[in-house]
Amino acid sequence: EVQLVESGGGLVQPGGSLRLSCAVSGFTFRSYSMNWVRLAPGKGLEWISYISSGSSNIFYADSVKGRFTLSRDNAKNSLHLQMNSLRDEDTAVYYCARGRRHCSATDCYWFDAIDIWGQGTMVTVSS
Amino acid sequence: DIQMTQSPSSLSASVGDRVTITCRASQGISDYLAWYQQKPGKVPNLLIYAASTLQSGVPSRFSGSGSGTDFTLTISSLQPEDVATYYCQRYNSAPLTFGGGTKVEIK
Repeated sequence: EVQLVESGGGLVQPGGSLRLSCAVSGFTFRSYSMNWVRLAPGKGLEWISYISSGSSNIFYADSVKGRFTLSRDNAKNSLHLQMNSLRDEDTAVYYCARGRRHCSATDCYWFDAIDIWGQGTMVTVSS
Repeated sequence: DIQMTQSPSSLSASVGDRVTITCRASQGISDYLAWYQQKPGKVPNLLIYAASTLQSGVPSRFSGSGSGTDFTLTISSLQPEDVATYYCQRYNSAPLTFGGGTKVEIK
């Protein structure tokens, strides 16, 4: 069974840091690009970051650029989002999400629709 | 950055109605467009990719069309289980922008 399981969410004060993780099972992790998407209370979905299958290409939304860092460990089937300088507006459910297409090479740099989503982890930034 | 504008932001329709949601890109994105359904308290679900390709397992009453800047998601016969918020997303380049969402309710 394909599974994406996020962890690391919680309550943090403004200016603080959190590290989200996504543990993957049920598919060949190294063969897929990955994303983080968030859903803030009362708002719509917001894409925040992408990493190619071999980590050669990483992109961020302007809203998190310079504060968030995305990485992956293909040997451990895990994805990590380091979030620094957190703001009230970062409060949201954060979803780990897989790009649809399988990559047969060492690294594939393409964007795609998101076909698998984790259950999400809640991040609350508040004093 | 390319912006994605969805309309309407909400709609109410009767069971069996044909429902249409539109998504407009501020610049051409070819067919790099996906549609998602998110039911209350649930995880988003991919319905359509490449503007018109139905994701495996998605009911055939859902369809997508369009290319370039104008796209449409159609539900041919609205069912009670279709109550959800629907989002378009472009994926031709970063940032992979979502539309603002369309909340669909049953009248």
